[in-house]
Amino acid sequence: QKEVEQDPGPLSVPEGAIVSLNCTYSNSAFQYFMWYRQYSRKGPELLMYTYSSGNKEDGRFTAQVDKSSKYISLFIRDSQPSDSATYLCAMWQGAQKLVFGQGTRLTINP
Amino acid sequence: DTGVSQNPRHKITKRGQNVTFRCDPISEHNRLYWYRQTLGQGPEFLTYFQNEAQLEKSRLLSDRFSAERPKGSFSTLEIQRTEQGDSAMYLCASSFVNQETQYFGPGTRLLVL
Repeated sequence: QKEVEQDPGPLSVPEGAIVSLNCTYSNSAFQYFMWYRQYSRKGPELLMYTYSSGNKEDGRFTAQVDKSSKYISLFIRDSQPSDSATYLCAMWQGAQKLVFGQGTRLTINP
Repeated sequence: DTGVSQNPRHKITKRGQNVTFRCDPISEHNRLYWYRQTLGQGPEFLTYFQNEAQLEKSRLLSDRFSAERPKGSFSTLEIQRTEQGDSAMYLCASSFVNQETQYFGPGTRLLVL
């Protein structure tokens, strides 16, 4: 079993929809939770990171962490075609490496 | 541009050849990481440096792989006797010490024929 599980999709939604992306994890030692966005043939770009359980909002993006369920989510409101990308969740436990999910490929249709 | 840079961006090589990639991190960052990403997967950790010291290597990093960061600035990743299974995107990231946020470069895409 992988430490971080993420549905690879693909996920296709109409422009303006609310998008929900999720990851589950098994290692309770993870302390920080990140979301990266990766456009095709590019490096991952950090979107948001959170430390504790709860919500964190940044513009149209909301990151949610539920440590008791080992479940994290990223919500995108008013989705735009430019949001079309692969979204990677990543986790950090105080060791040096990030542990990534598989990535969810998202397409926003105009 | 003060982000992480990687060169070359693309590399096509024949099986059995050696290849070397370079990463220039964000200049103030002490830590430098290498990851490998295959198609449809998330990045997987290979190794990391704090300044010039290589502090951790993944079991993914076989003895054909070697990484250096000789002056604590740029880093190189060399793959000897490349195999088709080495075809992947090689990503470099950097961060401050004990900082959870890592910033990635654009990657070097390797294709081994």
